[in-house]
Amino acid sequence: GPKVLQIPSHQIIDMGQMVTLNCDPVSNHLYFYWYKQILGQQMEFLVNFYNGKVMEKSKLFKDQFSVERPDGSYFTLKIQPTALEDSAVYFCASSPGTGTERLFFGHGTKLSVL
Amino acid sequence: GDSVTQTEGQVTVSESKSLIINCTYSATSIGYPNLFWYVRYPGEGLQLLLKVITAGQKGSSRGFEATYNKEATSFHLQKASVQESDSAVYYCALGMSNYNVLYFGSGTKLTVEP
Repeated sequence: GPKVLQIPSHQIIDMGQMVTLNCDPVSNHLYFYWYKQILGQQMEFLVNFYNGKVMEKSKLFKDQFSVERPDGSYFTLKIQPTALEDSAVYFCASSPGTGTERLFFGHGTKLSVL
Repeated sequence: GDSVTQTEGQVTVSESKSLIINCTYSATSIGYPNLFWYVRYPGEGLQLLLKVITAGQKGSSRGFEATYNKEATSFHLQKASVQESDSAVYYCALGMSNYNVLYFGSGTKLTVEP
């Protein structure tokens, strides 16, 4: 079936540095999402993105976070600068539509901030 | 706020026995709750198992069933006879029809013993 690819699967970075997480969504999908899951906790919504714009974001989506999808390439989540509490698994998802449309998730990128 | 509760973090069931995984939700945002079960099999990304968007209706997939009970605000997942291949982590999720956001439960890890 359709797959969302996330690159890399694991990223280790020093606190204060910048990191970019990459997501290759399903090709004909229009809506893109990032979710964050801290170890042992629930997966939580960060942001969704449509037509080049952030549609909604949660309180977890701090000012240090940004998303973009330049020219239909990777959908990226950038964190600059990183903090220790950013350590988590970040899941990208895409969907063809909104509301009740099913989301297709990637395997996640584990981010370790040291 | 909107939230989902799964009370069991881990469940172990013998093959061919019945299963129930509990899920309750709280929906306070404006909009109509849509309910989902997602599953993550070992080594795979999160994928939709079933969804129900109308109260009182039942969804089913791969032998699993869940009924949207608006009065009890529940959406329990059931299967009459589990198989080893059902071993996975199951997530209940709530989506409000006006928004693109999913609220996930903490997940229930199902282990089916031979």
